[in-house]
Amino acid sequence: DAGVIQSPRHEVTEMGQEVTLRCKPISGHDYLFWYRQTMMRGLELLIYFNNNVPIDDSGMPEDRFSAKMPNASFSTLKIQPSEPRDSAVYFCASSFRTVNTEAFFGQGTRLTVV
Amino acid sequence: AQTVTQSQPEMSVQEAETVTLSCTYDTSESDYYLFWYKQPPSRQMILVIRQEAYKQQNATENRFSVNFQKAAKSFSLKISDSQLGDAAMYFCAYRRASLGQLTFGSGTQLTVLP
Repeated sequence: DAGVIQSPRHEVTEMGQEVTLRCKPISGHDYLFWYRQTMMRGLELLIYFNNNVPIDDSGMPEDRFSAKMPNASFSTLKIQPSEPRDSAVYFCASSFRTVNTEAFFGQGTRLTVV
Repeated sequence: AQTVTQSQPEMSVQEAETVTLSCTYDTSESDYYLFWYKQPPSRQMILVIRQEAYKQQNATENRFSVNFQKAAKSFSLKISDSQLGDAAMYFCAYRRASLGQLTFGSGTQLTVLP
């Protein structure tokens, strides 16, 4: 398996624009997580899905952020409108149903909002 | 809420020497899992080692081992025979048995000196 695949690797956008980050989890994994990493706040969980259903979105910072998982092999994280303070590395991770297994991370998307 | 604390923002070690990274966590749960992840400059999150809370035996993976003290809620990582490739940010993470998400510490930046 190719692992968790995120796209794009880098994104530079202007303030106010819509940004969509994409994730393809490892086949067969039923948990999917979106994390944000910044110097100030470290790694924060934004939202996670189990069997395509959002379980906990309490980490989503504002209504400008939304996430979907239309099927088991694809998820998106959308920011609309984007702001400079959204600049961060966004990670997607997936894991199999037994919680003692680790989460496998994608390589992240570095988002810069100017 | 569960919290994970890494009190050492930076550590350094001489090549071939041993270093221990500290981690403490706060939980009222009895069933949970603990992980150490490594993040090199490539920013890929890589699992180093995992520990199930119900196991008394400390986990070991080659040069990496943990000292798990459940009563003290402590989970330190020992790296033996340090190599230049071990240089990275190391994150301690907690996962409650009944929930899916990982809670991360703030990380320890490890430098390996030649």
